[in-house]
Amino acid sequence: EDQVTQSPEALRLQEGESSSLNCSYTVSGLRGLFWYRQDPGKGPEFLFTLYSAGEEKEKERLKATLTKKESFLHITAPKPEDSATYLCAVQAGQGGSEKLVFGKGTKLTVNP
Amino acid sequence: DTEVTQTPKHLVMGMTNKKSLKCEQHMGHRAMYWYKQKAKKPPELMFVYSYEKLSINESVPSRFSPECPNSSLLNLHLHALQPEDSALYLCASSAKFSPEGGRYGYTFGSGTRLTVV
Repeated sequence: EDQVTQSPEALRLQEGESSSLNCSYTVSGLRGLFWYRQDPGKGPEFLFTLYSAGEEKEKERLKATLTKKESFLHITAPKPEDSATYLCAVQAGQGGSEKLVFGKGTKLTVNP
Repeated sequence: DTEVTQTPKHLVMGMTNKKSLKCEQHMGHRAMYWYKQKAKKPPELMFVYSYEKLSINESVPSRFSPECPNSSLLNLHLHALQPEDSALYLCASSAKFSPEGGRYGYTFGSGTRLTVV
């Protein structure tokens, strides 16, 4: 069974204090790994897609990396507006399956 | 236009009511999804439509009935719901993942907050 595990469940940072969120996965035939940001009561907002080990993508203060077993979301010098729940999801399987499996998320709080 | 629009944003319904949730996208995406999200939990897949045909049904109770009238619209018809069905219902869309490795993200709507009383 495909599994996605995110850690930590919650993370509190001071403004400017860099850190990383982890997403480890066990899937058969990874087709894509996705990072989303979700604010309370809103739908997930797409951040990145990673497809192969060694791939990296950046957007403002965020950088996502991928290995064969896990992905990291690095946040550099975070600001209070970066506070949100960050969700990792994988698309796996054969035969054109479009199913996304989500991790439970990391709730990030950045204090001013 | 890179949005998925969901209506209504909030819905309160009784257990004997019939209501519908609506989702619309104009990005030319050919795969559309319904997800259910309970508080402090990740989204859980309910249904997938691919090219207007139901391709995945995650053993969802029959009181939830999806419909895809055309490539831009997705409905979720609700009937005889239970209080435990109260949740945020999310619609998403994506371009069909191509066997050659087409690489498209999923776009989510803002959701409908459903409360069953």
